[in-house]
Amino acid sequence: AQSVTQPDIHITVSEGASLELRCNYSYGATPYLFWYVQSPGQGLQLLLKYFSGDTLVQGIKGFEAEFKRSQSSFNLRKPSVHWSDAAEYFCAVGAVFGNEKLTFGTGTRLTIIP
Amino acid sequence: DADVTQTPRNRITKTGKRIMLECSQTKGHDRMYWYRQDPGLGLRLIYYSFDVKDINKGEISDGYSVSRQAQAKFSLSLESAIPNQTALYFCATSDGLAGGRVETQYFGPGTRLLVL
Repeated sequence: AQSVTQPDIHITVSEGASLELRCNYSYGATPYLFWYVQSPGQGLQLLLKYFSGDTLVQGIKGFEAEFKRSQSSFNLRKPSVHWSDAAEYFCAVGAVFGNEKLTFGTGTRLTIIP
Repeated sequence: DADVTQTPRNRITKTGKRIMLECSQTKGHDRMYWYRQDPGLGLRLIYYSFDVKDINKGEISDGYSVSRQAQAKFSLSLESAIPNQTALYFCATSDGLAGGRVETQYFGPGTRLLVL
């Protein structure tokens, strides 16, 4: 069965600092991977997704993520965070074929300090 | 207008009551999903439907039922609500893996349910 681990429950960074949110997945075949963001009181918005090809994926709002098969990771990065990036971030993994349900991680809450 | 809408956005109910949460979408997608979100647990899948005649249980379907009234509508019911069903509920839609593209799920704004 597929699974996702987000080891950091809560991260605090200063505005303007760089950010990396960790995501590790477990799946026996080629996965497809997502990062979603949930702003306070809002639904989930897709930041980016990976299926194949270039392992560095660009998303919206200046985010990027890198797929590393050898490490089973799909970490999310941003070079300089803004106060509006404060939110909860979810990594998700899905199967390429067959059962196409998504499995979500438990989320990482990001706090931005001035 | 939002592509995926959920009603109500907030609901308070009492233990034992029947409650229905509704989801509508204008994206024309065949696939629809219901999730619940609890603090520290992320999103867990309750039910999903790949078309009007295809409904499947997710990982936490006990205590819930669903109805797919049309391609655009997917309702979640709690037959007899209990306090541990207090959660944030999300509906999502997707277009599947059509044409080899990656399936992407689009989420509604959520319904916050409190069971007393």
